[in-house]
Amino acid sequence: SQTIHQWPATLVQPVGSPLSLECTVEGTSNPNLYWYRQAAGRGLQLLFYSVGIGQISSEVPQNLSASRPQDRQFILSSKKLLLSDSGFYLCAWGDTGNQPQHFGDGTRLSIL
Amino acid sequence: GENVEQHPSTLSVQEGDSAVIKCTYSDSASNYFPWYKQELGKGPQLIIDIRSNVGEKKDQRIAVTLNKTAKHFSLHITETQPEDSAVYFCAALTLDTGRRALTFGSGTRLQVQP
Repeated sequence: SQTIHQWPATLVQPVGSPLSLECTVEGTSNPNLYWYRQAAGRGLQLLFYSVGIGQISSEVPQNLSASRPQDRQFILSSKKLLLSDSGFYLCAWGDTGNQPQHFGDGTRLSIL
Repeated sequence: GENVEQHPSTLSVQEGDSAVIKCTYSDSASNYFPWYKQELGKGPQLIIDIRSNVGEKKDQRIAVTLNKTAKHFSLHITETQPEDSAVYFCAALTLDTGRRALTFGSGTRLQVQP
């Protein structure tokens, strides 16, 4: 069966520091991969999605970037974090061309 | 682009009662509608989904209905239990297009009172 892993579960970072969040999927090949952000008490905002290695689409202009170095690995990064980057970050995967999407348990990021 | 509106934002019911959450979407090309349940500190979990060639789908105490003409779909939970308490999200997508990402509603916080 397929599983998705995100880490770390929680992270506290100072303003201006770099960021790297990692997501890996097991049990499937060539999945679509997604990064979402969820502000407190709000819905999910799509940040990036990827349909293959090295292929990244960005949904909103922002301080973050994403990379997909391997088929089942998706990384969310920033060179210099802003206070507004605080939130709950969720990775998801879906079968190519089809749905549904399945989510990891997220990373709660706090910027001080 | 697609816009999904979800109501109500909060819903409180007594254990054993039914709960209904409604969503409307703007893009008539949308043809896939999942529902997710999110418990505190966890990622959303898919609970049921429906495609536009079907008007209703049921899975035990959970059902989803779709009205393509009116562009709305609803989640129905019968015989609610305290463990149904969570935040529920609807979403919409047009399958088989270049864009593969869901558009989510803003969520409904369901509280089931024992």
